[in-house]
Amino acid sequence: AQTVTQSQPEMSVQEAETVTLSCTYDTSESDYYLFWYKQPPSRQMILVIRQEAYKQQNATENRFSVNFQKAAKSFSLKISDSQLGDAAMYFCAYRSALTGNQFYFGTGTSLTVIP
Amino acid sequence: KAGVTQTPRYLIKTRGQQVTLSCSPISGHRSVSWYQQTPGQGLQFLFEYFSETQRNKGNFPGRFSGRQFSNSRSEMNVSTLELGDSALYLCASSEFVAGANEQFFGPGTRLTVL
Repeated sequence: AQTVTQSQPEMSVQEAETVTLSCTYDTSESDYYLFWYKQPPSRQMILVIRQEAYKQQNATENRFSVNFQKAAKSFSLKISDSQLGDAAMYFCAYRSALTGNQFYFGTGTSLTVIP
Repeated sequence: KAGVTQTPRYLIKTRGQQVTLSCSPISGHRSVSWYQQTPGQGLQFLFEYFSETQRNKGNFPGRFSGRQFSNSRSEMNVSTLELGDSALYLCASSEFVAGANEQFFGPGTRLTVL
């Protein structure tokens, strides 16, 4: 089974600064998708950004961008100009292109934004 | 469109009892997945249903079961509850089962087993 590792249980960042959350994964597959989800204290998970493994270009969504290193099996999330509303648990997730909607999640990184 | 809804939001049960959780996906979504979320383990995949058929199943004991109805609503059942079953149970729905499609999550059901 695929495994997803988030080695930073907690991170903090000053408001308006930049922070990078790390994620590595283990797979023998070549075709897959990677996601970052955000879970604010209200518990509703929402998608932040996604990346198709066959695309070399890193995905970007406004202040959120990823650094996807396929050979290293690394998928980090960069949050620029951090805002108080970015405070949440962030989960990295892997989904195979072969097995439908079975997502593998990391254990999460709790991000604190300091005013 | 309304989001994914889960009922009940909170449950308290005792060991040995059974429980049924319900999930209504976003209208038009035929794929429903269930996850167990605990502080130490993160989100663990339970199972996925698509058009009333179980497509994938995670590594959970047979006490955990689910089903999906023709209107795509899904239920999961846990029998003979154990203390370790205390968790947040999340349901997620998707329109498709291929591509980089997004899963939309519900607010979860918080199950406490005493």
